[in-house]
Amino acid sequence: DTGVSQDPRHKITKRGQNVTFRCDPISEHNRLYWYRQTLGQGPEFLTYFQNEAQLEKSRLLSDRFSAERPKGSFSTLEIQRTEQGDSAMYLCASSPGTAGTEAFFGQGTRLTVV
Amino acid sequence: TQLLEQSPQFLSIQEGENLTVYCNSSSVFSSLQWYRQEPGEGPVLLVTVVTGGEVKKLKRLTFQFGDARKDSSLHITAAQPGDTGLYLCAGAEDGNQFYFGTGTSLTVIP
Repeated sequence: DTGVSQDPRHKITKRGQNVTFRCDPISEHNRLYWYRQTLGQGPEFLTYFQNEAQLEKSRLLSDRFSAERPKGSFSTLEIQRTEQGDSAMYLCASSPGTAGTEAFFGQGTRLTVV
Repeated sequence: TQLLEQSPQFLSIQEGENLTVYCNSSSVFSSLQWYRQEPGEGPVLLVTVVTGGEVKKLKRLTFQFGDARKDSSLHITAAQPGDTGLYLCAGAEDGNQFYFGTGTSLTVIP
């Protein structure tokens, strides 16, 4: 039984570079979520998908961020022209999508922009 | 915007003591989850509560969902050093996005 998988676990990049993260959800889960978390804070919602459709996107998400889930399975989150303020833990979660059910998280990708 | 407020934000106690963490909101949630997170790792689900007034027990942990489904509490009995971590509550509205609380950082001193 595999859980949510994220790759890479850690990424160090220079300011201005583009980065892409991948998330593989639990196979039967149709909902996939991206969150961002800074040290000591709760996760902050970025966006979520129902199958391949992106249903909601946080107003806090700048145009430099884009997410895709092309076949309703894995998802990618791309950050263009990274800034130091993008340094954070990026978390992916999936859920069956039935109202009242819980989300299961991956181990996260730690991004450091230098 | 944080819809869920947790208190206390930080808690440091001696092994064997009891503690309660609170999660409060003005919003009504269809369900509420509690997670525990260790440094550098993703949150790990502890429990989900869905019915107002529901109480769930997980060994030394007791979770309660408020009658109005706006708040919740986590009570730990006889805390152990292994309980150390960041405790997060998260509320779901009709199965859409999950709103997370501000987190409670617990340290249990041996």
